Parts: sequence; structure tokens; C-alpha cells
Amino acid sequence: DTGVSQNPRHKITKRGQNVTFRCDPISEHNRLYWYRQTLGQGPEFLTYFQNEAQLEKSRLLSDRFSAERPKGSFSTLEIQRTEQGDSAMYLCASSPRSGGPGDTQYFGPGTRLTVL
Amino acid sequence: GDSVTQMEGPVTLSEEAFLTINCTYTATGYPSLFWYVQYPGEGLQLLLKATKADDKGSNKGFEATYRKETTSFHLEKGSVQVSDSAVYFCALRLTGNQFYFGTGTSLTVIP
Repeated sequence: DTGVSQNPRHKITKRGQNVTFRCDPISEHNRLYWYRQTLGQGPEFLTYFQNEAQLEKSRLLSDRFSAERPKGSFSTLEIQRTEQGDSAMYLCASSPRSGGPGDTQYFGPGTRLTVL
Repeated sequence: GDSVTQMEGPVTLSEEAFLTINCTYTATGYPSLFWYVQYPGEGLQLLLKATKADDKGSNKGFEATYRKETTSFHLEKGSVQVSDSAVYFCALRLTGNQFYFGTGTSLTVIP
């Protein structure tokens, strides 16, 4: 068990460019979450996958954001036409199959995006 | 809507002092409640949790009791150490899969 990994750890891009982040959850965790965290704030939920199915999306997730988990393992989060307001830490978390109310989420280290 | 309100920081304590970080919640149902901790340069880690009223979560000397009557889940530790310096996040989860996090409370413990 190597934990949740995220790549890249840092990304600097120019406004208008597209960026893609990758998350590798803990193996055999079927639930995967994406969050956004800005300075001085707690993580804000973006979207949730159970296996390959995207089951929940926050209204924060504009049309420029898309997430996939094609084989139910790793996931990607793409932001198109980035804006300066997209600058944030993007966190990925996974949790195991039990589905109980006390399910623990295991977080990755995050990808810090800076849009110039 | 569903939300979590945390005591604002930063909090600075001397080693061996008593710690309380307040957390209250607003929820339409009966949430599970969590405290996560983020040490400098590291990702969020679960510290403790409680899934129903009157449950007490505990870990590493930290405790929090799920109080339905006051909609609270305050974090306490009797004697903090320098190694407890971190940012602490209160969070709730309802029946869906969305977690709602507070804004975080930064704790610095000085020797």
C-alpha cells in the first residue's frame, strides 16, 4: 500500500491553456474523489467516482472541468481554457469498498496549479 | 445548506497546554463527523471520527464527542506537543458521498 499518488505535484500554466492532472488511488479502493482547496480554506468537493462511474458532481465543476476514471483505477482531471481563478491545490482521495457512514478517505499530496 | 464552522486560528500554545478547537455543524440529516490533520508539507490524514450521536472518537491523545444537542464536535487534547503543530480540519459526511470541510485551524505549539 503506497498511498494515493498525484502527478504532477506542481503545474504552472498560462491563462487559456489546458491542463490535466492524474490521481492513482490506493489499489482496490473503488471510490475516488476530487477536491479543490484554496489558500486558507478547507477542501471543496468537486466530483466522486465509484469504480468507473462518475456518480456525483458539484455545481463548482464548471463545463471547463472534466474528470474520468476509464478503468476504475486511476483518474484524470482536465481543466480547459484555464483562468486565474482556477489556481488552487487539487486533491484526490480514495476510500475502500465498505460504503459505511464512517468511511475514511485517504488523501493524496495534491497538485498545486498556478495560472499566470 | 450543510456546512461546518470551525474556530478561526491561528492558535499558538505552549507545550503541555490544553487544546480545544471548536467545530459546529449544520446538516439536514444525521452526519458522520471527522477531524483531519495536515502536517506541514504532507497530505490530509484522518485523525478521528464519530458516526452517531454521543460517540467519542479518539486517537493520539486527541478526543472529540459527537454532540447532537449542540451540533458540535469539538477537538480536545490534554497536553499538546510540538509535533502536534499542524492544520486541523473538521468535516461532515451525510448519506451521500460529499464531504463538507471547515476552513481549517492552524495550531502552533512552542517549546
